[in-house]
Amino acid sequence: NAGVTQTPKFRVLKTGQSMTLLCAQDMNHEYMYWYRQDPGMGLRLIHYSVGEGTTAKGEVPDGYNVSRLKKQNFLLGLESAAPSQTSVYFCASSPDRGITGNTIYFGEGSWLTVV
Amino acid sequence: GQQVMQIPQYQHVQEGEDFTTYCNSSTTLSNIQWYKQRPGGHPVFLIQLVKSGEVKKQKRLTFQFGEAKKNSSLHITATQTTDVGTYFCAGPSGNKLVFGAGTILRVKS
Repeated sequence: NAGVTQTPKFRVLKTGQSMTLLCAQDMNHEYMYWYRQDPGMGLRLIHYSVGEGTTAKGEVPDGYNVSRLKKQNFLLGLESAAPSQTSVYFCASSPDRGITGNTIYFGEGSWLTVV
Repeated sequence: GQQVMQIPQYQHVQEGEDFTTYCNSSTTLSNIQWYKQRPGGHPVFLIQLVKSGEVKKQKRLTFQFGEAKKNSSLHITATQTTDVGTYFCAGPSGNKLVFGAGTILRVKS
């Protein structure tokens, strides 16, 4: 059971380039999330999805787009990368909303550097 | 929107000393969760507290949920080098889980 898998794990981008981070979960979870983690800022929610075909904005959505065409996949896109998007990105999933007490399972992270 | 504040931001302790991190929410929480992230790793769920005044223990870790359900704490007794990492609290807000900024724990052996 792989859990939550993110690709790629490391990437260096030039300013203005685009890229997509892929998240896949094999636990049949309804909810999926993309967080970014920066020193001293904790985990900030970028976008999330409450089910296949749905997406919603989180705390810091600007500069990112997402898609959830299949239940098991949640894609995070950067259309025109900026140095401010240098961060560690975590995908996560849960069977239901966090408020019902279900654990959120995190992927191993994707380290993105924009130069 | 709801805010979850966590203190201290950073603590460096001698092995064997105790450690406590505190979490405060701007609103009443239905539950609070705690996660641990090892250096270079990803956050891993530790525990959830639901009831007012609830106390739960996991070996040397003691978790408390305040009577007003607006604050929580994690206490580690006699820290070990395996305890190093960042500890996050998180509380629900609508469909989302809001994380505190985390407390980084370093242990000197």
